[in-house]
Amino acid sequence: GQQLNQSPQSMFIQEGEDVSMNCTSSSIFNTWLWYKQDPGEGPVLLIALYKAGELTSNGRLTAQFGITRKDSFLNISASIPSDVGIYFCAGHPRTTDSWGKLQFGAGTQVVVTP
Amino acid sequence: NAGVTQTPKFQVLKTGQSMTLQCAQDMNHNSMYWYRQDPGMGLRLIYYSASEGTTDKGEVPNGYNVSRLNKREFSLRLESAAPSQTSVYFCASSGHPGGVNQPQHFGDGTRLSIL
Repeated sequence: GQQLNQSPQSMFIQEGEDVSMNCTSSSIFNTWLWYKQDPGEGPVLLIALYKAGELTSNGRLTAQFGITRKDSFLNISASIPSDVGIYFCAGHPRTTDSWGKLQFGAGTQVVVTP
Repeated sequence: NAGVTQTPKFQVLKTGQSMTLQCAQDMNHNSMYWYRQDPGMGLRLIYYSASEGTTDKGEVPNGYNVSRLNKREFSLRLESAAPSQTSVYFCASSGHPGGVNQPQHFGDGTRLSIL
């Protein structure tokens, strides 16, 4: 099935650095979502975006819904060790046969070193 | 608030055995989903239920069946397990059928190994 193009695949960063990742598609999306998955757990919703151009923050996390509706980015500022995990983008595509079904990116593995 | 609860958390089966994975949500959500997660493949939709009483196939339905028992519960059944079904299975739920696309909320997964 279709997957969103998420990059980078992995990042090794030092504590205190900022992190940026993005997701792109050739299709238009109605929503963009960002999830984090810790080892042995399910994905947890971090930020949900509903309008083109929308910029939303959740603590040190900031995400934007691209103006073309085909992309989104997630920034993490001043990373800390508990930011380690896999970050997934997901979205509801604007197609009539895709009711409620999310498309997912392959994930960005973030490793934070002290 | 428990959110989405999956049982069991771990299971080992022999090829050919059957098993049902259970999922329950306490958020009064209308829609529920089953995914599998494999290394390098991301999350793939197996089946979903837009509302109580309806179920539909997702991307990878072969070898699985589902039952939407009531609004809270959505089970996934493997009738004759195969090694290719070794995976981590996630159940999710969301608030609205059709209309506004609401975020999905996930359980902690069932880790299934088939020998």
